[in-house]
Amino acid sequence: DTGVSQNPRHKITKRGQNVTFRCDPISEHNRLYWYRQTLGQGPEFLTYFQNEAQLEKSRLLSDRFSAERPKGSFSTLEIQRTEQGDSAMYLCASSPWTGSTEAFFGQGTRLTVV
Amino acid sequence: SQQGEEDPQALSIQEGENATMNCSYKTSINNLQWYRQNSGRGLVHLILIRSNEREKHSGRLRVTLDTSKKSSSLLITASRAADTASYFCATAGLVGGNAGNMLTFGGGTRLMVKP
Repeated sequence: DTGVSQNPRHKITKRGQNVTFRCDPISEHNRLYWYRQTLGQGPEFLTYFQNEAQLEKSRLLSDRFSAERPKGSFSTLEIQRTEQGDSAMYLCASSPWTGSTEAFFGQGTRLTVV
Repeated sequence: SQQGEEDPQALSIQEGENATMNCSYKTSINNLQWYRQNSGRGLVHLILIRSNEREKHSGRLRVTLDTSKKSSSLLITASRAADTASYFCATAGLVGGNAGNMLTFGGGTRLMVKP
């Protein structure tokens, strides 16, 4: 499968716990994006990497959120001290070049904080 | 915050009918894209229209773009039950701007096609 892969698909965690999600983009894509989507809404941009460099971060990304893409391949998104408001679908997308182009999305990780 | 509004928020039609969804946005764009999302799944890219294009076709899809009105429409002709999904428009900012080519999504239109 050469699409964008996200793990896990579902995560249920207790409030206050830390969680980490992984995204494996399409291998030749140098741009990687994280979005968050709540029920009934469109995705909202969180952060963006070009290769290993994190070039853009949304104000939605509080200090409890951190994202990495250490070797310019896979990326991780960590949420520390989770809150119920963090419950959402976290979507990863990749795109192949520096011009504006379509994004290829993974299936998402659905986080439920109880 | 989301870029724009989609209209209608929900649409229910019979199989074989056409479905039209509208999208408005607020800032200058490089291109506008439409995505489909089946319930609980990721988004699938449908079509991209550049800011210097006015109309584009792909199979049963027709997209129009009016940059003077900052609006776009997606027409699905001869709809099928399998077209049931949420449809989102997304805008890509100007190249060279600090938007990093991220996509800014609307709130989506939930389309139901009844067999």
